[in-house]
Amino acid sequence: DAKTTQPTSMDCAEGRAANLPCNHSTISGNEYVYWYRQIHSQGPQYIIHGLKNNETNEMASLIITEDRKSSTLILPHATLRDTAVYYCIVRVDGNKLVFGAGTILRVKS
Amino acid sequence: NAGVMQNPRHLVRRRGQEARLRCSPMKGHSHVYWYRQLPEEGLKFMVYLQKENIIDESGMPKERFSAEFPKEGPSILRIQQVVRGDSAAYFCASSPQLSMNTEAFFGQGTRLTVV
Repeated sequence: DAKTTQPTSMDCAEGRAANLPCNHSTISGNEYVYWYRQIHSQGPQYIIHGLKNNETNEMASLIITEDRKSSTLILPHATLRDTAVYYCIVRVDGNKLVFGAGTILRVKS
Repeated sequence: NAGVMQNPRHLVRRRGQEARLRCSPMKGHSHVYWYRQLPEEGLKFMVYLQKENIIDESGMPKERFSAEFPKEGPSILRIQQVVRGDSAAYFCASSPQLSMNTEAFFGQGTRLTVV
């Protein structure tokens, strides 16, 4: 089963930063945190992943707490097209990605 | 570099027929994962394959479902004697190597409808 806990849904104003939290209190030392999103039943889209350092790419930033028990995905300037289900995943042994229910992010104008 | 290609995008089958779903991984990727998403539900892991090997099939139903990833050609998810409950979106993902530090990329899925 998924090892993460996320809020069911969040709203964000267009142009503002969207901060999506995730709890993963049972994460092991060598397990990575991955974020994907799924827009309207399309294939899941990879966003970012990290182990313990903060990460940034062209899509988002990932902030992982020092104890690694939680993380936050930041979309710096949310647009309407960022409305999607966002999944926080701890990659378990055996390499597969186990998806939970995710957070429904609604970006509103 | 083309992404993960799945075909067909939509497939309609009558109850009792066979469904074959194909997945061509990204170039250079030798690991393939299959997921199923029932209507209004989340993605459920089905099976993980490397070339010519099934690594983890813990999410595969015990009957009627099989998967392969031959040395040449795409990965195939095969569903025999389909039933209405098999109607779902089936997604395939690929990654280049066995590592927890390597992202997997998904295709756009095959939507199977059983009538």
